[in-house]
Parts: sequence; structure tokens; C-alpha cells
Amino acid sequence: AQSVSQHNHHVILSEAASLELGCNYSYGGTVNLFWYVQYPGQHLQLLLKYFSGDPLVKGIKGFEAEFIKSKFSFNLRKPSVQWSDTAEYFCAVRFYGGATNKLIFGTGTLLAVQP
Amino acid sequence: ETGVTQTPRHLVMGMTNKKSLKCEQHLGHNAMYWYKQSAKKPLELMFVYSLEERVENNSVPSRFSPECPNSSHLFLHLHTLQPEDSALYLCASSQDVLGGTDTQYFGPGTRLTVL
Repeated sequence: AQSVSQHNHHVILSEAASLELGCNYSYGGTVNLFWYVQYPGQHLQLLLKYFSGDPLVKGIKGFEAEFIKSKFSFNLRKPSVQWSDTAEYFCAVRFYGGATNKLIFGTGTLLAVQP
Repeated sequence: ETGVTQTPRHLVMGMTNKKSLKCEQHLGHNAMYWYKQSAKKPLELMFVYSLEERVENNSVPSRFSPECPNSSHLFLHLHTLQPEDSALYLCASSQDVLGGTDTQYFGPGTRLTVL
């Protein structure tokens, strides 16, 4: 079955620390990859996405993610986090095939950045 | 005007009540979605509509009944719910369910509590 795994459920960092959140998926075919962020009390917002081309994708607010096809991974990174990055981060993968090319979400990673 | 709006933002209902959730998208998209977000679980896709036709129903109990009168509006009618149905219900829209670069945009959600 198609699945998306986020291994870190809860991450606590100090400001200026580097961040890497893991995301792996189960399917070996064509995929589109997304990271969404949900700030406290706000709705899910698109952080970045990968469809094709350069596997290193840059998103908003200094975030980037790298698609490594051989590892079925799409890890999210930021070199220096800020308190305002405190949020829940969701990896999502669209697996091609089927009637609607369904988008599958991971369980999310809650990031708390301490000032 | 934000892209995807949902009303109400909060809803408390008894198990015998009938209520409806409303979603409206202002993005000119052709596809709309209902998701359920529960604590510590991945977002669960409930329904997908494309050009006002339901194209996916993910084994959702019949006490949830979607309606899509036009491509801008989506409703979720609720009746005889159970306490375990308490969750955040998210609406999303996208340009095209089968598009190669399709991206979903989310509303703020309705926080539903079933007593």
C-alpha cells in the first residue's frame, strides 16, 4: 500500500539550530512531493513542492527539500531556524495511478523552536 | 479574500443533530476535497469532487454526506454523528485532479466536537 512516513513526531530546537525533517514514501513509481506547514491556529500552507527537474527545491521562508529517488526520500531542511518556525510540518506525496492520483499525507512533525 | 474559506470555524453538536459544513474556493479551481484531521493521525481523504462530480469516496460512513452544487462550493452534511467523529475537517481545492502539476490549497478547517 502507498504510504508516507515522517519519522520525527516531535522536534525541539533552539533558535539558530539547523533543521532536517525526514520524509520517506513507499511507492517506486512517479510521484509529486510536497511539504505543508500549519502554524498554530492557522490553516495548512504550501511550503514547497517538487514535480520534476532539479531535485533540490527551494521554498518559502528559507526552507528547502531534496528529493533522493533512490532512497524514496524528500527531507525538509533549514540551516537556521527561528522561533516563528514553530509549527507542524506535513509531508505529502501524490502517487500517480488510479482515478484521482491521490495525495497521501504523513502524520506530521511538530517543531518547537525555543528562543 | 482568502483562497479557500470554511464556515463555521467551530461547531459543537449532539449525536442526534443535523448540521452542515460549508467550503468556498475563490481560486477558479475545478476540484474540491474534504479531509479529516485527527490528532496523531495522517490527514484522511474523505471525498473528491471534480467538476461537481464525486470521483472518490474513501469508505466514509453514510452519516457524512457531501454535496457539490458548483465548482466553487462544497458542503459536508452531518447527521447522527459519533463522538469519534470529533476532528478538524479541512476543505481543499486544486486546479485539476489529474493534472501533472496539481497543487492543493487548504481552508482553515472546521473544528467539530460531537457530544
